[in-house]
Amino acid sequence: GAVVSQHPSRVICKSGTSVKIECRSLDFQATTMFWYRQFPKKSLMLMATSNEGSKATYEQGVEKDKFLINHASLTLSTLTVTSAHPEDSSFYICSARDTGLAEYNEQFFGPGTRLTVL
Amino acid sequence: SQKIEQNSEALNIQEGKTATLTCNYTNYSPAYLQWYRQDPGRGPVFLLLIRENEKEKRKERLKVTFDTTLKQSLFHITASQPADSATYLCALRDDKIIFGKGTRLHILP
Repeated sequence: GAVVSQHPSRVICKSGTSVKIECRSLDFQATTMFWYRQFPKKSLMLMATSNEGSKATYEQGVEKDKFLINHASLTLSTLTVTSAHPEDSSFYICSARDTGLAEYNEQFFGPGTRLTVL
Repeated sequence: SQKIEQNSEALNIQEGKTATLTCNYTNYSPAYLQWYRQDPGRGPVFLLLIRENEKEKRKERLKVTFDTTLKQSLFHITASQPADSATYLCALRDDKIIFGKGTRLHILP
């Protein structure tokens, strides 16, 4: 099956620093990737949709200058949390849509990145 | 406003019994409805997808029903096992996937 990886799996940083999270589709091409955030015992909340070669589309309430998304290739999207604060501590999950699966345009999820901001 | 509700935050089921999870939605007309499994500290794993014109879908011990009139989906795990313990997420599929809050299922040995 299609595999999506995320790096790093865990990161701890000091308040005010920036953190970059990578999302890669390992065996398929993904023109569209999605970034989610999940707080403890809560559901995944879609933050933004990332399209290869164009600007990301952010959901209402998500600051685009805070969460920078770059989707420079068909297999890589990055999320940079700028000037991170403790309230940004969360579980960040990406998913990638396999453009080759015409029937469902199925999305495959990465294992997540646990961000802790001290 | 659009809502997806999974009626139980947590559910305890005796091993061997059938676990039934419920997902209700309002103000949506989804083309697909999906169920995912999520283990602690991991990303969701796709289990089943059911289309709006399908009433039932099965995969091994899993069964999903989809009633677009009631705006409800039921997710069944038959002959449940402790290894089935996880959080199960209902998700509606339009242009993007929107998730419910999930139900934490505990299968008791």
